Amino acid sequence: ETGVTQSPTHLIKTRGQQVTLRCSSQSGHNTVSWYQQALGQGPQFIFQYYREEENGRGNFPPRFSGLQFPNYSSELNVNALELDDSALYLCASSPAGRGPDTQYFGPGTRLTVL
Amino acid sequence: AQSVTQLGSHVSVSEGALVLLRCNYSSSVPPYLFWYVQYPNQGLQLLLKYTTGATLVKGINGFEAEFKKSETSFHLTKPSAHMSDAAEYFCAVSASAGSARQLTFGSGTQLTVLP
Repeated sequence: ETGVTQSPTHLIKTRGQQVTLRCSSQSGHNTVSWYQQALGQGPQFIFQYYREEENGRGNFPPRFSGLQFPNYSSELNVNALELDDSALYLCASSPAGRGPDTQYFGPGTRLTVL
Repeated sequence: AQSVTQLGSHVSVSEGALVLLRCNYSSSVPPYLFWYVQYPNQGLQLLLKYTTGATLVKGINGFEAEFKKSETSFHLTKPSAHMSDAAEYFCAVSASAGSARQLTFGSGTQLTVLP
């Protein structure tokens, strides 16, 4: 049990729509990262937030955006959904003082784009 | 840039047999290396990690891994497989992305344990 929760568990959207995925971390976890895991592949880094600011991004377009809130929750927003956005989206949080390499993963949100 | 290669997308072992999952990395700096396990419809659970110091790292559930710089490898082993070990295993290396630290994962190895 990592103490990281994500909602919703599953989501179905159609191409062109927008989606918001949510993550709740443990108190004191001031770094949150988001990953996309396509079927049969390893997770790919989308971006990381530290103290409510984006401080690093992987190879994802700007239609992937995020927010981090003072209460240790965060959001991943994806605009103009494409079929290839269908994947498991994972958030991972890191406790303050342990370094961002120590990441605790949530169970993920399964997004299906039709 | 850092990268990870996992050899063998599927590995099958008999219950009680040795588990060996292979991981090779590429890194221009001393790497931080990780093994994660993912059970069906669940997130990732950290098994073990190597940062500095002792090259043989012990993790949870009886797993261990050895960092071999000369071979750029970080293979995961367990002396005796249990049915509950059936899952997908991911090797990862930590790298910088701007000011962030990202995990770069391999493509995973599905472990099947046969009775």
